[in-house]
Amino acid sequence: NAGVTQTPKFRILKIGQSMTLQCTQDMNHNYMYWYRQDPGMGLKLIYYSVGAGITDKGEVPNGYNVSRSTTEDFPLRLELAAPSQTSVYFCASSYSPLLAGSTDTQYFGPGTRLTVL
Amino acid sequence: AQSVTQLGSHVSVSEGALVLLRCNYSSSVPPYLFWYVQYPNQGLQLLLKYTSAATLVKGINGFEAEFKKSETSFHLTKPSAHMSDAAEYFCAVSERAGGTSYGKLTFGQGTILTVHP
Repeated sequence: NAGVTQTPKFRILKIGQSMTLQCTQDMNHNYMYWYRQDPGMGLKLIYYSVGAGITDKGEVPNGYNVSRSTTEDFPLRLELAAPSQTSVYFCASSYSPLLAGSTDTQYFGPGTRLTVL
Repeated sequence: AQSVTQLGSHVSVSEGALVLLRCNYSSSVPPYLFWYVQYPNQGLQLLLKYTSAATLVKGINGFEAEFKKSETSFHLTKPSAHMSDAAEYFCAVSERAGGTSYGKLTFGQGTILTVHP
């Protein structure tokens, strides 16, 4: 099992550019999440998904979009990058109803460090 | 609504000393509680979790935490600090997956633990 993988690891964008952060999990988890981490602020939930075709906003969704066409993949899209989106982005997954004893434990990817200049 | 407060953004201890990282939570329903650790430039790794079984929870690397409902606390301790424990630690709260919260985590601001010789 690779767990949760994220690409790219690092990226520098210019203001107004767009990009997609990729996230894939191979644990057959139903739930997937995107967080951003800013110094001294902990992690804030951007979007989450409870299954293929179902997504919803988290605490800080403005400026982002997501889609979930498969169980495995949950990409995060930035359409018009702004300096305020400079952050470290983490994808996580959890909860397989088919797995006996499954609880809320979220498994995190290694993160994508994004800088918008 | 859920919230988490970690008391102290930085904690410094000597190698071999007791580690105590404080976490207080607020939740309208019985919570699940988690401690995650983040080493530099890495993702988050689960240390331990409380899911309404034993109130004293043992985790990896010699850490443990005690759920105290009357104090709404979930403090993390380790009897003897090791240099390798230097990292950032996050406390988090969630409601049960399968309910309307879909296992979403609310994180504290994080506590950076420094261990000096």
